[in-house]
This record gives sequence, C-alpha cells and structure tokens, in this order.
Amino acid sequence: NAGVTQTPKFQVLKTGQSMTLQCAQDMNHNSMYWYRQDPGMGLRLIYYSASEGTTDKGEVPNGYNVSRLNKREFSLRLESAAPSQTSVYFCASSEAGLAGLSGANVLTFGAGSRLTVL
Amino acid sequence: QKEVEQDPGPLSVPEGAIVSLNCTYSNSAFQYFMWYRQYSRKGPELLMYTYSSGNKEDGRFTAQVDKSSKYISLFIRDSQPSDSATYLCIIGGYQKVTFGTGTKLQVIP
Repeated sequence: NAGVTQTPKFQVLKTGQSMTLQCAQDMNHNSMYWYRQDPGMGLRLIYYSASEGTTDKGEVPNGYNVSRLNKREFSLRLESAAPSQTSVYFCASSEAGLAGLSGANVLTFGAGSRLTVL
Repeated sequence: QKEVEQDPGPLSVPEGAIVSLNCTYSNSAFQYFMWYRQYSRKGPELLMYTYSSGNKEDGRFTAQVDKSSKYISLFIRDSQPSDSATYLCIIGGYQKVTFGTGTKLQVIP
C-alpha cells in the first residue's frame, strides 16, 4: 500500500520556468491537499480538493494552479516560478473533508517535493 | 496572534527521559487534535488523534487535551534515539486545520 506518492522528489528551476508537481493516492480518499512547508512557518495550505471535480484556494494560492485529474490524482502547477516559491511541498489526502469528529479527516501525507527556484 | 503556538525547540534529552511537547491554541471552536511526527526529509505521519478533553494513550505516547485552557500536550515515555524528529500539532474544526510550526526533538543515546 503506497499511500500518497509525489513526484518529483527534487527539482531546481530558474525564475520564470514552469513545472507541475504530481500527486497520487491509492486509499480511495475523497479529499486531497497541497501544502508548502517553510522554516518557522509551519505547513500552509495552498489549494485543496474536497472531492473529485472541485478545487478551492487555501491560505497561500497566489502563483499556483491545481487540477484534480480524477479521484486519485491532484497536481500542482507553478506557471512562472519565483524564488519565493522555494519550499518543500507536501501533498496530503483524507477520507473526508476537514469537518467532523469521525476520524475521516485524518491527513495522510506524501514524502514531499523539494523545490528550489534560482 | 497565531491560532496555534508551538515551541520550536530544539529540545535535547537523554535516552529514557520523559518528553513533554506542547501546543496552545486560541480558537475555542477547534474540535479535534492530532500529533504528527516528521523525520528529516520525510512527510509527517500520524501519531495520535483525539477530540475530547483528557488523556489518550498509545504505547509510549500519551496525548493530553485541556479544552478549558486551550492546551494540548504529547508525552513520550522512555524516549529512544529513534524518537528524534520534529513533532507537529495539528488542530482542526469547521473545515479548517491549523498547524503548529513543530518542535524538533533530539534524544541522545
């Protein structure tokens, strides 16, 4: 059981280049998320998809776009990379959305994608 | 004021010590509380999940929640070098989760 798989693990870009981070989960989860993790800032939500066919902005969406390709896959695109987007990006999924106390909102994270923009 | 405050550490303890990791939060509407462990260059993994005040135990780990004080703790008994990692508190409710910045723990053999 692979859980949440992210590719690539590492990437170096030049300012202005574009790239797409890929994420796939095999747990039949409905909700998927993209976070960025920066020193001293904690994890911050970029975009999320509560269910297949829907996407919503999170806390720091500027400079990013997402696509929920199907129930399994959720990609994050940087159209014109900037040095401020140097970060570690984590994809996560949960069985259900973030409300409720059923435990279905427990997040399962991927291993991360380390992006450097020069 | 941040919604969740967590001491960043680093916290260094000898093997076998009892470790206490803490978070405070400001929004009384938060309903559930999670602790994650993150090894270097890895993704966070779930340790404990709870939504009620009181203690929840799992092996060497105990999660404690005090909703009246808006304070949560994770205790690690008989700490091991393999416990060396960053510990994140994640607090959620009403379609939102908020992350602590993480406490880096080093257990010295």
